[in-house]
Amino acid sequence: DIQMTQSPSSLSASVGDRVTITCRASQGISNYLAWFQQKPGKAPKSLIYATSSLQSGVPSKFSGSGSGTDFTLTISSLQPEDFATYYCQQYNSYPYTFGQGTKLEIK
Amino acid sequence: EVQLVESGGGLVQPGGSLRLSCAASGFIFSNYAMHWVRQAPGEGLEYVSAISSNGGSTYHTNSVKGRFTISRDNSKNTLFLQMGSLRGEDMAVYYCAREGRGNWIDYWGQGILVTVSS
Repeated sequence: DIQMTQSPSSLSASVGDRVTITCRASQGISNYLAWFQQKPGKAPKSLIYATSSLQSGVPSKFSGSGSGTDFTLTISSLQPEDFATYYCQQYNSYPYTFGQGTKLEIK
Repeated sequence: EVQLVESGGGLVQPGGSLRLSCAASGFIFSNYAMHWVRQAPGEGLEYVSAISSNGGSTYHTNSVKGRFTISRDNSKNTLFLQMGSLRGEDMAVYYCAREGRGNWIDYWGQGILVTVSS
């Protein structure tokens, strides 16, 4: 199985900040990388697919980059509604493994 | 509007069985592959199973292989997860999810809780 490792596991930031979350795959996954946002008690929400393509309706403050094994999610101009847990997922091969999550908290 | 609504969860004893359903609407169900993903209390997301659009191909992660079976009824726009020999570590919120055109997950259900306890 492909292991997905996110860093950091948690992150404190202030409203208006820009943050970056990293996701590393244990082997190359081309650009088959997605990002999800999850708020407490809610289902995950799809943000980004194919490393850098925004899901319909997702604001452009979210951006993704990378290829091969190293990927990033950047969120600019943080707003209160952005504080949540973020997960990466590879869909290059089964099982479509997730990173362990990054909890973004308000400083 | 794409909607995925899970049902069938609840309390089950260790060793017991349960069948989850996911009712799909707002899209042509038979055109899309589907997935189950679970989340144990306080934990991250864990990939469970997948099924192709026509049901001809399935995948189950190792920890559930031989115990869980994913299936679908395209005439009823419904996805299923038959779970057997349930263990404490199967206790989780189970989400059904749609696979978009490029193989990524694009929509999620609201989730259904499965509790395994005596």
